[in-house]
Amino acid sequence: ETGVTQTPRHLVMGMTNKKSLKCEQHLGHNAMYWYKQSAKKPLELMFVYSLEERVENNSVPSRFSPECPNSSHLFLHLHTLQPEDSALYLCASSDRGIHEQFFGPGTRLTVL
Amino acid sequence: AQKVTQAQTEISVVEKEDVTLDCVYETRDTTYYLFWYKQPPSGELVFLIRRNSFDEQNEISGRYSWNFQKSTSSFNFTITASQVVDSAVYFCALSEARGGSNYKLTFGKGTLLTVNP
Repeated sequence: ETGVTQTPRHLVMGMTNKKSLKCEQHLGHNAMYWYKQSAKKPLELMFVYSLEERVENNSVPSRFSPECPNSSHLFLHLHTLQPEDSALYLCASSDRGIHEQFFGPGTRLTVL
Repeated sequence: AQKVTQAQTEISVVEKEDVTLDCVYETRDTTYYLFWYKQPPSGELVFLIRRNSFDEQNEISGRYSWNFQKSTSSFNFTITASQVVDSAVYFCALSEARGGSNYKLTFGKGTLLTVNP
């Protein structure tokens, strides 16, 4: 695998379900990001991890819970989501001190 | 606060036409970086270019070219002789230092480019 991978690519879940999104980067980077992309809205930065420490949390509801066990992996744990949480969730990685971020293909989430 | 404006929501052209995507930015930082990303229907954002605030030279890469003008706070992107495979959403972005070597990208809303055969 190369670059940034995300699984699953598509996810449909009910409002009472618990699921997790996974991101893995194979670029040797030390910062990872979660973004939310909804229709007709700009990309919204949700969380930033740098050297496995959460350095930014942009007022994201607690039903989204990130986890970064090491510099290569990032998870987004989901529970009791709302239909308005349906969106494309993108993971990205970068080197600290380097500005450009490299993105995964995203997980298309639908909450019923 | 940083802001990126892509005034063109959608553009439609016929193959082989040239097309320019506009990007205007606002920042109080004296050192900053500008980016363009391409998002094809598959969803993944593909990094195209990074430009720092001290380098106003225009850049050309194949059919792609970028025009950075600090005087007008613009960083426009031109595709020459467009092809159907260029159809995608294009995002302009601006980086902001957050301290500790961490950076945040502020994205524009994107421009949907459709190239028709």
